[in-house]
Amino acid sequence: DAKTTQPTSMDCAEGRAANLPCNHSTISGNEYVYWYRQIHSQGPQYIIHGLKNNETNEMASLIITEDRKSSTLILPHATLRDTAVYYCIVKGNQGGKLIFGQGTELSVKP
Amino acid sequence: AAGVIQSPRHLIKEKRETATLKCYPIPRHDTVYWYQQGPGQDPQFLISFYEKMQSDKGSIPDRFSAQQFSDYHSELNMSSLELGDSALYFCASSLAVTRKGSPLHFGNGTRLTVT
Repeated sequence: DAKTTQPTSMDCAEGRAANLPCNHSTISGNEYVYWYRQIHSQGPQYIIHGLKNNETNEMASLIITEDRKSSTLILPHATLRDTAVYYCIVKGNQGGKLIFGQGTELSVKP
Repeated sequence: AAGVIQSPRHLIKEKRETATLKCYPIPRHDTVYWYQQGPGQDPQFLISFYEKMQSDKGSIPDRFSAQQFSDYHSELNMSSLELGDSALYFCASSLAVTRKGSPLHFGNGTRLTVT
């Protein structure tokens, strides 16, 4: 599975959009980009995933560049409860483990 | 919607004791994964099962074993516990093959404390 690179930490003001970047320059054609978050001591929470098209659900939007070498997770209106570690993970379509690397610690401030 | 259920939520054991953690996957999910997360660390993959057969193995100590049963629930058995085994243990489940990716869904974990 391809390696990802994320900033170690980010701050965001409450009510503003949080844009979390991820680089995955070695991604291969059949690999998806997954985003998870982990609020302190809770289980990792699935947010969204995509292959090449932009995706949106009730939690977030995922923007994938045309060359698929990077992506951005967008939380449109961040709240204090969105404070968490966000993980960007690349994985193939078939079943298989997720490998967690260093994520981005997002702090949403009032 | 039904989620992954883990039990117990908290467990306290002494060194050299054994522990059994249980995981009940989301209905119709055929693959179960176990992860360990030490203090201040990212979750580390231990082992996974697909259709009751071991499908992948990570950094699982030889003192640990796991299995998946006919009803798809899974158990992680841990023997000769050491202080360093104190951690959060997460179970996740997924469908092995889908047309649109196969996200894993995690339970809320078991916090194991070894004293």
